Parts: sequence; structure tokens; C-alpha cells
Amino acid sequence: SQQGEEDPQALSIQEGENATMNCSYKTSINNLQWYRQNSGRGLVHLILIRSNEREKHSGRLRVTLDTSKKSSSLLITASRAADTASYFCATDYRAQSGNTGKLIFGQGTTLQVKP
Amino acid sequence: KAGVTQTPRYLIKTRGQQVTLSCSPISGHRSVSWYQQTPGQGLQFLFEYFSETQRNKGNFPGRFSGRQFSNSRSEMNVSTLELGDSALYLCASSSSSGGAHEQFFGPGTRLTVL
Repeated sequence: SQQGEEDPQALSIQEGENATMNCSYKTSINNLQWYRQNSGRGLVHLILIRSNEREKHSGRLRVTLDTSKKSSSLLITASRAADTASYFCATDYRAQSGNTGKLIFGQGTTLQVKP
Repeated sequence: KAGVTQTPRYLIKTRGQQVTLSCSPISGHRSVSWYQQTPGQGLQFLFEYFSETQRNKGNFPGRFSGRQFSNSRSEMNVSTLELGDSALYLCASSSSSGGAHEQFFGPGTRLTVL
């Protein structure tokens, strides 16, 4: 079963506006990552935030992590039409026996940025 | 560096057949993970290989198998195909020897089972 739940499922905004997507998860994690997918293609890694970090920036992206609430948010500022895509959060969960190579993905948020 | 490549990009098979998908990771990456993406179930982890050993496995039936070669290239095989196996299969490579750090994804193989 998927660990991450994202909201909203779909978001439509105008170019220049900010877009915020939220992700919640269920178990303790090592890190949380955000990916972008264009039209059923491969995923592009956007940003990774570790469990001991609270906020991280990369260009127009800002990610926050609240481990007490088991939630994260992705903010895209000054959006562009090229940002139109699906965005997924993925968790590297902490397991007693160790976890290798497995990310658990949320169901994603579909973002449409209108020119 | 060249990215992750997957072949073939598209595949059409009929029920009962078997299929083999190939993934070449980024040079120097020894970890390869496979995922299945469907509209209903989303992205689900299949398995992960590191240095030719399967280290982690998702909840898929035994019809789904994989292997990794000494050059880190990986293949996954699905036998006795079912309609529900129609999906986008993604592989991802990572330089990490532990945990699930940043993964670099290939473009995927879209499998259609008729």
C-alpha cells in the first residue's frame, strides 16, 4: 500500500502564481523526496529533505518537512507553463532490518499552469 | 554522463506470454530499482538489485522476477502475462549503497497486454 497521500489531487493556476502541494505519510522516514513526471514519462528528481531537516530550497522550489505531523509541502513560486506536470512525494522509510532502494510514492498531484 | 536507459520503450503482448525489459543504469551506479506505475495503484516498488544481488522486494507475485549483471545492467521478466500487468515499468538507479537516496529514473517501458 502507498504510504504517501497528497493533496490536492489536481491543481490549476495561472502563470506567475505560486503552487503548493502537500504530502502526508504514515511511518518514520529517513528522508522524503519530491519528483516530477511529465505526461507518463520517467520521473525527474526535484529535491530530497532528510528527516532532521525542516526546510530546503532549490531555485523556485521550497520544501518543508514536519516529522511530528508526518507531513511535507512543496511550494513552487512564480510558476511557469513548463511546470505543468504531476508531482509525487516519495518516502524512504526507516525499517529495523534496513531498507534499500525502495521509495514509497504518494498518488501525486497533477498541476496545470495556464499561460 | 548518460542517463538511465530502458529498452524497449513500448511493448505489446498477449495474455500468457512472457516479457523481458532491460535497464542500463547511470555509469558507476550499482543500485537498480524497478517500479510499476498504473492509474489505479500508482507507483509501486517491485525490487532492487545491488551488485547482482536482490536486496529488497515488493509485494508482487512470483511471475515478476529480475536480475542484475556484473556491469550493473538489470532485466526484469514477467511470465504468464495478465491484462492487469499493463503498466509503465520504470527503473531507477542510485549511487547509494544503502537506504533509498536520490534515484534517477529512466523513461520507462510501456507494456500493453491484450
